Amino acid sequence: AQTVTQSQPEMSVQEAETVTLSCTYDTSESNYYLFWYKQPPSRQMILVIRQEAYKQQNATENRFSVNFQKAAKSFSLKISDSQLGDTAMYFCAFMKLYGGATNKLIFGTGTLLAVQP
Amino acid sequence: DGGITQSPKYLFRKEGQNVTLSCEQNLNHDAMYWYRQDPGQGLRLIYYSQIVNDFQKGDIAEGYSVSREKKESFPLTVTSAQKNPTAFYLCASSPRPGTGNYGYTFGSGTRLTVV
Repeated sequence: AQTVTQSQPEMSVQEAETVTLSCTYDTSESNYYLFWYKQPPSRQMILVIRQEAYKQQNATENRFSVNFQKAAKSFSLKISDSQLGDTAMYFCAFMKLYGGATNKLIFGTGTLLAVQP
Repeated sequence: DGGITQSPKYLFRKEGQNVTLSCEQNLNHDAMYWYRQDPGQGLRLIYYSQIVNDFQKGDIAEGYSVSREKKESFPLTVTSAQKNPTAFYLCASSPRPGTGNYGYTFGSGTRLTVV
């Protein structure tokens, strides 16, 4: 079975600084997706960034980028120029790609990020 | 606008009662999911459905039941057999695998409290 581990329950960063959230996963599969989701105080889940395992290039979305190390099974999220609106719970998630079946998301336990003014 | 609607936002249940959480989507997605969120445990999969009239148990299905009579709807019933139902419940949907789009769309959640 696949597992996702987020070892940092809480983190804090000053506004405008950079912070990195860690995520490791365990799988024997070679074809999968990895995701970072953000859950602000409203509790709405928002997709931040997605990485296909077959792509060597790290995904980026504006101030958000990932460091995907497939051999190490590591998938960290870097937030640059942190803003107060980035304050949220961040979940790392894994999706194994089945042939023709539903793709289930497996979540880590989350990292609560607080951006300080 | 397309999306997922969960209702109610807050729900209170007495001991021994069954309650049903509603989830409706107008995204024409084939697959739908129910997750439970507890502090420190992330999101855990309760049930999922790939097509109408078919659904599978997730990791924590005991004490829950679902139905999928329409593509748009995937209600979750929390039965009296669920010993610790107080939690935040999230519904999600996704397109059919193979379309190249593997993104989930989430509802805004239902907070269930046992009183």
